[in-house]
Amino acid sequence: GENVEQHPSTLSVQEGDSAVIKCTYSDSASNYFPWYKQELGKRPQLIIDIRSNVGEKKDQRIAVTLNKTAKHFSLHITETQPEDSAVYFCAARPPGGYSTLTFGKGTMLLVSP
Amino acid sequence: DTEVTQTPKHLVMGMTNKKSLKCEQHMGHRAMYWYKQKAKKPPELMFVYSYEKLSINESVPSRFSPECPNSSLLNLHLHALQPEDSALYLCASSQEEGRNIQYFGAGTRLSVL
Repeated sequence: GENVEQHPSTLSVQEGDSAVIKCTYSDSASNYFPWYKQELGKRPQLIIDIRSNVGEKKDQRIAVTLNKTAKHFSLHITETQPEDSAVYFCAARPPGGYSTLTFGKGTMLLVSP
Repeated sequence: DTEVTQTPKHLVMGMTNKKSLKCEQHMGHRAMYWYKQKAKKPPELMFVYSYEKLSINESVPSRFSPECPNSSLLNLHLHALQPEDSALYLCASSQEEGRNIQYFGAGTRLSVL
């Protein structure tokens, strides 16, 4: 089955800095890679996703890059703000009607004012 | 509307109690999921229903019993739980299983005494 590794487990940055979270996956057939943000006590919320037919996707301050050859994908947050503080989970999913998301272990991002 | 509604928000139960968690979505999604999430860990998949039929059971103990009465509702019946079952139980839905974005509910925080 799919295995997703996520690093770092904790990331502390100053407000205005950039933050990068990296994930690697094991199943070369995986073709869908979402990122979820979960604030303390709240639900995971999809913030951005990427499919294997593109290498990069951007939405305002958030971008995701995908390297299929190396089987890794990364989340980039620029101009971080205190409200970006949360746990971020990456996930990967192979194709197929019965495939499910495999999550990374999560990264706690702390943005200090 | 991307709302998945879960009730109750909090639940405290004894090991001999029987209780049920409820999940509802009105987005016309045909796949619904139950996840269990422990603190600072990623969501762990428990069950997947596709077109109201159970398609995945991730070897969950029988004290957890899912039910999908119709395409909008998903229940999780609980009986004879253990203290280690205390966790956040998340429901999610997607347009179809294995495809498309998963939207999460806010979860039920369960404490087993």
